[in-house]
Amino acid sequence: ELKVEQNPLFLSMQEGKNYTIYCNYSTTSDRLYWYRQDPGKSLESLFVLLSNGAVKQEGRLMASLDTKARLSTLHITAAVHDLSATYFCAAGSYNTDKLIFGTGTRLQVFP
Amino acid sequence: DGGITQSPKYLFRKEGQNVTLSCEQNLNHDAMYWYRQDPGQGLRLIYYSQIVNDFQKGDIAEGYSVSREKKESFPLTVTSAQKNPTAFYLCASSRDANSNQPQHFGDGTRLSIL
Repeated sequence: ELKVEQNPLFLSMQEGKNYTIYCNYSTTSDRLYWYRQDPGKSLESLFVLLSNGAVKQEGRLMASLDTKARLSTLHITAAVHDLSATYFCAAGSYNTDKLIFGTGTRLQVFP
Repeated sequence: DGGITQSPKYLFRKEGQNVTLSCEQNLNHDAMYWYRQDPGQGLRLIYYSQIVNDFQKGDIAEGYSVSREKKESFPLTVTSAQKNPTAFYLCASSRDANSNQPQHFGDGTRLSIL
């Protein structure tokens, strides 16, 4: 059974600093997604990672995938307040249609 | 604009009552999904549908029912058998169930017990 773990669960960081959110999954997965959720809002798709070594960047966020280690990372560079949100990773259950979500990382960026 | 519309935004349920949450999409997507989100937790899959007139149970289907009579609509009924229905419910869709494209989400319905 596929399980997805994220850490840390909560991250408070100063503007301008760098940090990484980790997403581990327990069994083979053929696709990995990162989403952002603002409080009380829906989920917004950030990245889709489909192959080992995939790296994608958008602004101050960069996501990568290591399928051998069953690990995806979301790296934040020079954080700004607007990045404050909850970030979820989700792994596709191999040969099924289901996504399994992590518990989320709540990011708070302060001046 | 194409998207997913969930209604109502807020819903209150009395004891013993069934309530239905609406989800409509105009993205021409084949696959649709219902998730439940509890405070401080991730999303858990309730039901999903790959095609009209077909749907499968997710991880927490007990106390819920769905129908998929039209491609664009996937309503979720929270029955009286669901003893702890208070949660944030999110509907999503994707082009097709085997696509690697991300799921698109609606704005959610917050359900509370009166």
